[in-house]
Amino acid sequence: DIQMTQSPSSVSASVGDRVTIACRASQGISSSLAWYQQKPGKAPKLLIYAASSLQTGVPSRFSGSGSGTDFTLTISSLQPEDFATYYCQQADSFPLTFGGGTKVEIK
Amino acid sequence: EVQLLESGGGLEQPGGSLRLSCAASGFTFSNYAMSWVRQVPGKGLEWVSSISSSGTNIYYADSVKGRFTVSRDNSKNTLYLQMNSLRAEDTALYYCAKYAVAGTVSFDPWGQGSLVTVSS
Repeated sequence: DIQMTQSPSSVSASVGDRVTIACRASQGISSSLAWYQQKPGKAPKLLIYAASSLQTGVPSRFSGSGSGTDFTLTISSLQPEDFATYYCQQADSFPLTFGGGTKVEIK
Repeated sequence: EVQLLESGGGLEQPGGSLRLSCAASGFTFSNYAMSWVRQVPGKGLEWVSSISSSGTNIYYADSVKGRFTVSRDNSKNTLYLQMNSLRAEDTALYYCAKYAVAGTVSFDPWGQGSLVTVSS
């Protein structure tokens, strides 16, 4: 199975900050990676698929990059509604696996 | 608007069975693969199972293989998860999710979830 490791597990940031979350796969997965945002009590929401493609309706301040084993989700200017937990998910092979999550908290 | 509505969760004893349903609307259900993903409250996400649009191709996590069965009824726009031999570690919120984009295995949207509690 492909293991997905996210870092950091939590980050404290202020509105307007640039935030970067890393995700590393235990083996190469090409560009088969998705990013989700989850707010408390809500279902996850897809932000990025195929490592860098923005899902329809997602603000352009979100961006994804990387390929192979190392990936990054960047929020260019953090907004109040972006405080949430973010997960990466490898889409390369079954069993599908998620990273452990990164909680973005208010500083 | 695409909507997914799970039902069938509840409290069940270890060794028991439950069947979850996911009613889909707002899209052509028979054109999309679907998945189940679970989450222990306060913890991370765990993929459970996926089924292709026709039901021909099915995949399971090792943790549920042999105990859970995914199926779909395209005439009823409904996805199912039959859960047998339930264990305490199956306690979680179960989400159904639609494959988001053709050619990629990412999920959007997700349902609101159905809580399964396995306890004596």
